[in-house]
Amino acid sequence: SQQGEEDPQALSIQEGENATMNCSYKTSINNLQWYRQNSGRGLVHLILIRSNEREKHSGRLRVTLDTSKKSSSLLITASRAADTASYFCATYNFQTQGGSEKLVFGKGTKLTVNP
Amino acid sequence: ETGVTQSPTHLIKTRGQQVTLRCSSQSGHNTVSWYQQALGQGPQFIFQYYREEENGRGNFPPRFSGLQFPNYSSELNVNALELDDSALYLCASSAGVKQPQHFGDGTRLSIL
Repeated sequence: SQQGEEDPQALSIQEGENATMNCSYKTSINNLQWYRQNSGRGLVHLILIRSNEREKHSGRLRVTLDTSKKSSSLLITASRAADTASYFCATYNFQTQGGSEKLVFGKGTKLTVNP
Repeated sequence: ETGVTQSPTHLIKTRGQQVTLRCSSQSGHNTVSWYQQALGQGPQFIFQYYREEENGRGNFPPRFSGLQFPNYSSELNVNALELDDSALYLCASSAGVKQPQHFGDGTRLSIL
């Protein structure tokens, strides 16, 4: 089952523009993570925001978290062609088998940055 | 620092066969998680190993099994392969159970 749902599913912009992706989730969280996946490659961890944080920056990335709306957004400023990738949000979700929590990913937003 | 490496990169099998996928975790990481990623979908959690013990399992049947070795490398075994098992299998290691995960580039498994 998917915990996070990214929106939009696909986004195409020009180099230099900003890209905003949104994520909604269903259950209470301790933190929310964003990952990037280049085509045919593994995922790369971008940023982790804790439930008591509202905004976090890392280079050209800005992540916001609204726990009252159970949503997060990832903003990439001054985008580059190299930012072309799929972006996923992920949260820990309590699972039934084993009693521990598992990291649950959304379906992702496919970002294309045109040169 | 050596990252997460997976082998093989690609594999073709037929229905009913068995497969073993391997993962070497990043240096210093004691936790390994395995994910299945179908085309156009996000990764789905299969199971996690922490210090050689299974530490949680997703909604996958028992024919999906795993191991973690003393050096924290890991194997994913799938028996009685089905067509729906065709996917990218990702391994991720971390320095603890809820730490950010470092992914390998995956094994692309195709079932004919």
